[in-house]
Amino acid sequence: DAEITQSPRHKITETGRQVTLACHQTWNHNNMFWYRQDLGHGLRLIHYSYGVQDTNKGEVSDGYSVSRSNTEDLPLTLESAASSQTSVYFCASSLDRGPTDTQYFGPGTRLTVL
Amino acid sequence: AQSVTQLDSHVSVSEGTPVLLRCNYSSSYSPSLFWYVQHPNKGLQLLLKYTSAATLVKGINGFEAEFKKSETSFHLTKPSAHMSDAAEYFCVVSDRTSGTYKYIFGTGTRLKVLA
Repeated sequence: DAEITQSPRHKITETGRQVTLACHQTWNHNNMFWYRQDLGHGLRLIHYSYGVQDTNKGEVSDGYSVSRSNTEDLPLTLESAASSQTSVYFCASSLDRGPTDTQYFGPGTRLTVL
Repeated sequence: AQSVTQLDSHVSVSEGTPVLLRCNYSSSYSPSLFWYVQHPNKGLQLLLKYTSAATLVKGINGFEAEFKKSETSFHLTKPSAHMSDAAEYFCVVSDRTSGTYKYIFGTGTRLKVLA
């Protein structure tokens, strides 16, 4: 069955370190998204990609970057981790770009920045 | 820009009683609306979506939602709660900005089911 996986599932790091969170999907979807989930905010969009070599900034992109070198993967990098980036991170993918398109979510990565 | 407001951050029901999770939306045109469920330590799963084909939308696990344009609402209901329904529920609107569609999430409603 097609799926979307994230690794690691839990990560503890220190302020100032670079961290990369992996996202891999086997849906063969064109579109991939990264969100962060914080209490009282729901999910907020960090970055997204509509295809290989395409990346776009979302609502809360400061301090994060992504790159898309193939269809299956969209790694999220925190250039210099800050305590404000302690959160749960979700990756998602979708096939199309229309208003009714469904996004499929991974299980999440819980990141703690000390 | 479109937005959604989930009117209750927490809802508690007894097992076997009806569930009502409320969502109001703000939109300048006909919206696409979704309900997702998140069980503890899990990713989000689509429950149902409104695409303008029918105002009453049936989803998985006995959930349904009714789109009411006059009330700008898309409330989620279930006739009889089960213990396994305990989870967080998100109402989502698909917002068109700069020619592309993005999800805008509500802040979530945590459903507690009492035995």
